[in-house]
Amino acid sequence: EAGVAQSPRYKIIEKRQSVAFWCNPISGHATLYWYQQILGQGPKLLIQFQNNGVVDDSQLPKDRFSAERLKGVDSTLKIQPAKLEDSAVYLCASSFSGEPVWNEQFFGPGTRLTVL
Amino acid sequence: AQKVTQAQTEISVVEKEDVTLDCVYETRDTTYYLFWYKQPPSGELVFLIRRNSFDEQNEISGRYSWNFQKSTSSFNFTITASQVVDSAVYFCALSEALGKGGSEKLVFGKGTKLTVNP
Repeated sequence: EAGVAQSPRYKIIEKRQSVAFWCNPISGHATLYWYQQILGQGPKLLIQFQNNGVVDDSQLPKDRFSAERLKGVDSTLKIQPAKLEDSAVYLCASSFSGEPVWNEQFFGPGTRLTVL
Repeated sequence: AQKVTQAQTEISVVEKEDVTLDCVYETRDTTYYLFWYKQPPSGELVFLIRRNSFDEQNEISGRYSWNFQKSTSSFNFTITASQVVDSAVYFCALSEALGKGGSEKLVFGKGTKLTVNP
């Protein structure tokens, strides 16, 4: 079974530029998550989708970050404009949704963003 | 608010030594879940274990064991006879009761970097 795919793996941009990350979840997984992992810290949830609807985006800096999941499969996370403090690894995860049973989150390899 | 503290930033051991990674959590929920994840250099988080707040039994899986103590709000992880392949960053995480979709919002600690030297 293919895992969660993310691209690009690495990205270097100048501050105030825009950037987009792509995630393809495991086939059949209805729930998709984007996490931000700053160096030396644990991942922090930015946004959770259930199919193409947002379940939780309470920690997403909405003035500069946006995410979409059209058709309930692939997802794109965008930062516009980027700041130095956005330098981090952006992790995508997915899980099969079968309420009320707990479903494991499977993580992708992440995209490492460096903002100069 | 939920919080997870992993006081050990880095640990270095020699192969075959036993090592314990500490995790202390804070939550006001009576129902919650605790996790351990491994993050090897490749970057992907690998799920190791999930325990619910009503199950305080210790668990053993091969060389891995977990000690859950509600009285001290701790969920420690021990690797017995460590191996070089165990070198990774280990994260403890906490979530509240099942949310929408059967999944949970995870709150992670800062992680403990374990280096196992040959």
